[in-house]
Amino acid sequence: KAGVTQTPRYLIKTRGQQVTLSCSPISGHRSVSWYQQTPGQGLQFLFEYFSETQRNKGNFPGRFSGRQFSNSRSEMNVSTLELGDSALYLCASSPGGYFYGYTFGSGTRLTVV
Amino acid sequence: GENVEQHPSTLSVQEGDSAVIKCTYSDSASNYFPWYKQELGKGPQLIIDIRSNVGEKKDQRIAVTLNKTAKHFSLHITETQPEDSAVYFCAAMYSGGGADGLTFGKGTHLIIQP
Repeated sequence: KAGVTQTPRYLIKTRGQQVTLSCSPISGHRSVSWYQQTPGQGLQFLFEYFSETQRNKGNFPGRFSGRQFSNSRSEMNVSTLELGDSALYLCASSPGGYFYGYTFGSGTRLTVV
Repeated sequence: GENVEQHPSTLSVQEGDSAVIKCTYSDSASNYFPWYKQELGKGPQLIIDIRSNVGEKKDQRIAVTLNKTAKHFSLHITETQPEDSAVYFCAAMYSGGGADGLTFGKGTHLIIQP
């Protein structure tokens, strides 16, 4: 059974640009969550999508957005990149119920220069 | 919002000994407590979880205990092996309407000395 697939694995962008990251959840999973991981702040919740609707949102500025498609694949977008956006962005999928547990992908390492 | 404190930040144990990592949470509404293991270059991997209606759960060498009154939960790894070396994260979440995702602790770097 394929796991959670995130693309690309690595990305280098310039300050002020925008970036789109992609996540393919485990087949049959309807919930996709996004997390940001940095050495200073640790793992922080960005947002969660379920059946193409944003179900929950963390405390991040509006420059961070996402969407989910009908096949449950998800994208997150960061506009007007700042140096502080450099991080590992992790996607996690779940069957849908909150108690089923979340399976994480290997992440996309974003570096903003 | 929820706040999760995790201790210690680094733990070094001899191979074969036990390791214990402790977490406290602040929101009494939290009812789901997973533990994740993260190896270098990989995403966090769920190793065990517990719900608030259970006090203890075991899976081979790994066990988790939960004290709802004290808002405290712990991960116990027995007979540690070199492959247990990794960063471990605890997390807490309220799994109901208005849930705001997993709140993670800062992580514990577990080092297994041969």
